[in-house]
Amino acid sequence: GAVVSQHPSWVICKSGTSVKIECRSLDFQATTMFWYRQFPKQSLMLMATSNEGSKATYEQGVEKDKFLINHASLTLSTLTVTSAHPEDSSFYICSARAAPSGRWLDEQFFGPGTRLTVL
Amino acid sequence: AQKVTQAQTEISVVEKEDVTLDCVYETRDTTYYLFWYKQPPSGELVFLIRRNSFDEQNEISGRYSWNFQKSTSSFNFTITASQVVDSAVYFCALSEAGNNDMRFGAGTRLTVKP
Repeated sequence: GAVVSQHPSWVICKSGTSVKIECRSLDFQATTMFWYRQFPKQSLMLMATSNEGSKATYEQGVEKDKFLINHASLTLSTLTVTSAHPEDSSFYICSARAAPSGRWLDEQFFGPGTRLTVL
Repeated sequence: AQKVTQAQTEISVVEKEDVTLDCVYETRDTTYYLFWYKQPPSGELVFLIRRNSFDEQNEISGRYSWNFQKSTSSFNFTITASQVVDSAVYFCALSEAGNNDMRFGAGTRLTVKP
């Protein structure tokens, strides 16, 4: 399948700082990217959906001012956790949906995840 | 809204046993996709299968098989002759054609003991 990368793979930060996580589709163009959060021993919960060049759509209960999403190009989306607190510690996973006209015909591919620990 | 239920939270089997992971879904769409993913301790999701709503044929891939039954809204996953390396959390997921986002079940933690 196609490859989606995330950077960094893990990050430890102090409470109150901001952390940026990048999600890149390496060999295809992604019209839509999704951000998920997974707490320990729980399922993946969709946080937001972002389409290239437009504002992200956030799921109910997700603070858009805290989790800033930017989808500036067809291969890059970023999630910034602003003023992070210990309760934001989680595993963040992005996924990218391939353009329907491309090789991967609308399929969705997941990144390897970023483990955020806020001290 | 779509919903996925994996009633089995944890399953433990002994190596070489067969094991079935259940998945029941809800959707109002007639066009949708069902998925199974494996999540080992590293956390990275491993894609196992994608099935669209119009294809009810069962699928077999090595020791893995899937039983899709629209009549019961189920998409069960069976591992035959389980191995220790099969130990992981398995997620069933649903994506509606109109929404494109993917909703996950709670996951089933499978432990295969030697």
